[in-house]
Amino acid sequence: NAGVTQTPKFQVLKTGQSMTLQCAQDMNHNSMYWYRQDPGMGLRLIYYSASEGTTDKGEVPNGYNVSRLNKREFSLRLESAAPSQTSVYFCASSTQGNSNQPQHFGDGTRLSIL
Amino acid sequence: QKEVEQNSGPLSVPEGAIASLNCTYSDRGSQSFFWYRQYSGKSPELIMFIYSNGDKEDGRFTAQLNKASQYVSLLIRDSQPSDSATYLCAVILSGNTGKLIFGQGTTLQVKP
Repeated sequence: NAGVTQTPKFQVLKTGQSMTLQCAQDMNHNSMYWYRQDPGMGLRLIYYSASEGTTDKGEVPNGYNVSRLNKREFSLRLESAAPSQTSVYFCASSTQGNSNQPQHFGDGTRLSIL
Repeated sequence: QKEVEQNSGPLSVPEGAIASLNCTYSDRGSQSFFWYRQYSGKSPELIMFIYSNGDKEDGRFTAQLNKASQYVSLLIRDSQPSDSATYLCAVILSGNTGKLIFGQGTTLQVKP
């Protein structure tokens, strides 16, 4: 009963390197989300996917791309990492994005960019 | 103006007291409101949700919603040291977008 699984849990990158953060859910949820969390900022929505085959920008999409590979998987890519992208990244899923159903979160990826 | 605002705190209360956490939101059409708890270094976990005006109680937790004032609050009765955490208010925006927007969170400290 894994829920939402994120990989990796920790990563250190150099400025300019690229990286893909992976997220998979086994709850048959339609909607998936990527957030970043910085100290004192709460969670800010980067991108979300209301259903398989669709993606939309959130509050802070610049510098990121996403891919909804299938219903289970939603990846986040940093093409050219910058120190400002040092953060904790959370993936979440819900039954349906425009419903009243809550989101379930993964354990997070702690990303440091030097 | 942020779409969801909370006082970042810290809010300090003695053990056994009532902790009151507040949140305001700017999207008047919002219909769904959530409270998440986040322990340091952990992911957020849902503790309450509320959709209708008024109060909703679940154990020691009560969520209160006033859509006219665009205000949602969380009361924690008989606060325990284990309640010490950051509490995040979250709102689903109107317009069928599915976007869930979080406030910056309020840190609660319950002192024995």
